[in-house]
Amino acid sequence: DAGVIQSPRHEVTEMGQEVTLRCKPISGHNSLFWYRQTMMRGLELLIYFNNNVPIDDSGMPEDRFSAKMPNASFSTLKIQPSEPRDSAVYFCASSSYSRALEDTQYFGPGTRLTVL
Amino acid sequence: SQQGEEDPQALSIQEGENATMNCSYKTSINNLQWYRQNSGRGLVHLILIRSNEREKHSGRLRVTLDTSKKSSSLLITASRAADTASYFCATDRGSGDKLIFGTGTRLQVFP
Repeated sequence: DAGVIQSPRHEVTEMGQEVTLRCKPISGHNSLFWYRQTMMRGLELLIYFNNNVPIDDSGMPEDRFSAKMPNASFSTLKIQPSEPRDSAVYFCASSSYSRALEDTQYFGPGTRLTVL
Repeated sequence: SQQGEEDPQALSIQEGENATMNCSYKTSINNLQWYRQNSGRGLVHLILIRSNEREKHSGRLRVTLDTSKKSSSLLITASRAADTASYFCATDRGSGDKLIFGTGTRLQVFP
């Protein structure tokens, strides 16, 4: 299995531009999580999906952030418009069970986003 | 605020020594997990301990859980340079549906 796949691995953009991060979970996994990691705030859960349905988006910082999961094998996290404070590493993770703490989460390699 | 707080924030040891990291949390939990993150990489699951368990082993890893003190510890025995990484605990605050990660302990093992 290829594991969780994220693209791009690095993204540099200018303030105000739209940014789209992509994630392909492990085949057969039915839960998908988006996290953001910064030195100041650590690892934060932004949103998670069960069976392609958003369950909890309380971690999404503001309306500039949106996430979709159109099917079981693909999810996107979009930031529009981007701001320098959005600079962080964004991780996608998937697990095979809806009760997240009863199952391992498998993390992708992350996308390092820099907003100038 | 963070559910889990690791202690110490940073730890430096020599190869062969044991490394102990602690995690404290605030609310009741169903289970607690430990993850490792190598520099520039995603997190990797190490071990899960359920709330009705007190100790669990996996290779050179030993995890303990004290629900009365709301704390857990991760012991890495006979450390190696390859153990250099950040280690995070994660809990579910009893909801069982999502993980809340702690602030992490940065471990440096010198050869």
